[in-house]
Amino acid sequence: DAGITQSPRYKITETGRQVTLMCHQTWSHSYMFWYRQDLGHGLRLIYYSAAADITDKGEVSDGYVVSRSKTENFPLTLESATRSQTSVYFCASSRTAATNEKLFFGSGTQLSVL
Amino acid sequence: GESVGLHLPTLSVQEGDNSIINCAYSNSASDYFIWYKQESGKGPQFIIDIRSNMDKRQGQRVTVLLNKTVKHLSLQIAATQPGDSAVYFCAETFDYKLSFGAGTTVTVRA
Repeated sequence: DAGITQSPRYKITETGRQVTLMCHQTWSHSYMFWYRQDLGHGLRLIYYSAAADITDKGEVSDGYVVSRSKTENFPLTLESATRSQTSVYFCASSRTAATNEKLFFGSGTQLSVL
Repeated sequence: GESVGLHLPTLSVQEGDNSIINCAYSNSASDYFIWYKQESGKGPQFIIDIRSNMDKRQGQRVTVLLNKTVKHLSLQIAATQPGDSAVYFCAETFDYKLSFGAGTTVTVRA
């Protein structure tokens, strides 16, 4: 049971570069989410998707782009990385809306923007 | 600001004792609450949840209490073990949004 996997586990990049973080889930969950985790802020929602080809912004979406062409994949792209985007990124999924059911999280991607 | 918060950022507990982790929420309309555990280097893991029509729910060694009168949520861990050392987050749902608190770091002393 692979569950939800994220790649890469660690990433170092430079300011201005484009970076894509991958997320794959094997449960066929409808909902998928991207969060970032920073000290003092807890988990903040970047983007979410209710189904393939349906995405919506979260509270900190500026500078990020997502796509969901297949139910199982939900990549997150930083179009032009900035230092403020240095963070740990978590992908999550749930069978129904997160407001009604628990989330399952991946192990995270630690991103450093130099 | 965040509507969900934890009273203490850190908690040190003797192995074998019971742990109590507290969480305050500000929105009386919140109707679903979840506790997550996050171990170092891992993603958050679901522990237990409770809906607003309940005031107590028990799991294996964990109990969640909800006091809607004072908008307070707590997680009780019985017979705390070294493996319980982690950061614990509460999350609440209101206005179709899930909001996480900043977390409480629990350290278990041998």
